[in-house]
Formats: sequence, C-alpha cells, structure tokens
Amino acid sequence: QLQLQESGPGLVKPSETLSLTCTVSGGSISSNDYYWGWIRQPPGKGLEWIGHIYYSGRTYYNPSLKSRVTISVDTSRNQFSLKVRPVTAADTAVYYCARRGEKTVAGWFDPWGQGTLVTVSS
Amino acid sequence: EIVLTQSPGTLSLSPGERATLSCRASQSVSSSYLAWYQQKPGQAPRLLIYGASSRATGIPDRFSGSGSGTDFTLTISRLEPEDFAVYYCQQFVSSPYTFGQGTKLEIK
Repeated sequence: QLQLQESGPGLVKPSETLSLTCTVSGGSISSNDYYWGWIRQPPGKGLEWIGHIYYSGRTYYNPSLKSRVTISVDTSRNQFSLKVRPVTAADTAVYYCARRGEKTVAGWFDPWGQGTLVTVSS
Repeated sequence: EIVLTQSPGTLSLSPGERATLSCRASQSVSSSYLAWYQQKPGQAPRLLIYGASSRATGIPDRFSGSGSGTDFTLTISRLEPEDFAVYYCQQFVSSPYTFGQGTKLEIK
C-alpha cells in the first residue's frame, strides 16, 4: 500500500526558506505512471495546488507561486521536496504531499500524506 | 484561472437523509477532469470521485457524482454518521489546478 509522509520544520521565520520532504513508501517514485505533488491548506481555509514533479525532474507550478517555489526529486531516496522562499505569514498552512496521475486526464490526487503544519513567525 | 464555486457553504442534514452538493465552474470543464474529495477534521483529503462520476477504490456506492460543462453534483444517497465532513471539488483541465472552497456537511 502506497504511503506518503511529509517531514520538515514546523516553524520558519519570515523571509527565510520553507523546506519540506515527502518520503514515499510501498511504491517507487520512479514510476512512469505518476507525478508527485504538493498542496497546501491555510488554517480554516481551502486547498491550494502548489505544483508537481515527475521522476525525471519535469515540474509544473502554480503560476501564483512559481517565482518562490522549487520542487525537486531524489529517486535514490524515493523522496521529493518542496522549497518556498522567501516566506511570509501568508505561507502558514498545512502542507500535503500526494500522488497524481501522469496523464492529464488523471490529474486527481490520491493518496495523500497526513500533512504537516508549517507556521511562519518570528 | 478556472474558479470553482461550491454551494451551499454549509448543509445541515440528518443521518439517513440525501445530500446534494454542487460545484459550479467559471468555464466549461470536461467531466473527465473533475474530482471530489472528503476531508474530516485533522485529516488529509480523501479522493471520493474522479472523472466526475467514477468512484475511487473503497468508496461506498452511496456516493455518486454527475454533471458536465460547468455544473457538477456530488450526491450522498443516504447519510451515514461518518459522512459528516467537508467536501471539495477539483478541476485539472487547465493550470492552475484549482479546488472549490468546500461545502461543510454537518449533522442537523
């Protein structure tokens, strides 16, 4: 059974870099059939797609975040990562990693990691 | 950007009743490119429906999806206590891939 687990600091100072890693278990991140994505949810609010990456390194980003976001993949560790820089209080959210289909028509996210809360505060 | 507007914002119903949740898109979305998720407090979203009407693995048949163009519906035929949660629709026909703001289904 495929599982995803986010990890990283829960507190980041304004203007610094938010860094999170998603570890995939029960399956290979190098599958031809899937992308690996990040979605966030500010406290009490809705979901926002951040971006996703293929095992080859091909990435797609939300245009509203593209200038501040980098998603990378480490196939040797079966992990992918998210960096957001510089952060502000508006980046405070629960960050989820999730799998999505490789085909455009298979763009739903399933499964999801449990999520990790990142607070931006001095 | 395609904006998804869900209604109602909150739906108050009793177990055993039928729930109808709406998701309206600001421009046409092929039905193949729409999904529904359920989120319970403190949990990650769970995929319910993809391709507007196909149930994800393990999802009970009381959940059904329908619609095309700009209007989509999630129906729960007979509410169980575990169905009270927040529901989101998502489109993935064009970037940015957006979610609706959610409908909270609460116990009346």
